[in-house]
Amino acid sequence: DIQMTQSPSSLSASVGDRVTITCRASQGISSWLAWYQQRPEKAPKSLIYGASSLQSGVPSRFSGNGSGTDFTLTISSLQPEDFATYYCQHYNSYPITFGQGTRLEIK
Amino acid sequence: EMQLVESGGGLVQPGGSLRLSCAASGFTFSSYWMSWVRQAPGKGLEWVASMKQDGTKEYYVDSVKGRFTISRDNAKNSLFLQMNSLRAEDTAVYYCARVETVGSSGWFDPWGQGTLVTVSS
Repeated sequence: DIQMTQSPSSLSASVGDRVTITCRASQGISSWLAWYQQRPEKAPKSLIYGASSLQSGVPSRFSGNGSGTDFTLTISSLQPEDFATYYCQHYNSYPITFGQGTRLEIK
Repeated sequence: EMQLVESGGGLVQPGGSLRLSCAASGFTFSSYWMSWVRQAPGKGLEWVASMKQDGTKEYYVDSVKGRFTISRDNAKNSLFLQMNSLRAEDTAVYYCARVETVGSSGWFDPWGQGTLVTVSS
């Protein structure tokens, strides 16, 4: 199985900051990677697919990059509604696995 | 508007069974792989099972193989998860999700609101 490791596990930042979350796959997954945002008590929401393609309706301050084993999610200028938990997910093959999550908190 | 609505969650004793349902609307259900993803209280996301458009192919995470069965009724735009021999570690919110596929796998969009399954005596 492919293991997905996110870093950091938690992050404190301020409105307007630029933040980057990293996701590493235990083996190469080409660009078969997605990112999700989950606000408290809500269902996850798709942000990025194909490592760098923005899901329809997602603000352009979100961007994804990477291929192979190393990926990043960047939020260029944090907004109050961005404070949430973020997950990466590979879809290279079954079983599909997620990273453990990165909790983004207000500083 | 695309919508997925889960139902069927609740409290069940260890060893018991439960059947979850997911009603889909706003898209052509029969054209998509569909999946179940769960989240234990305070924990991360775990993919559980996926089923092909015509129901001829399915995949499961190892921890539920032989106990859970995914199925679908394309005429009723519905996805199901039959859960048998439930364990305390199956306690989670279960989400239904459409799979945006590349081949047989893919990413999940949209997601339902989730239904809570609690396994406890």
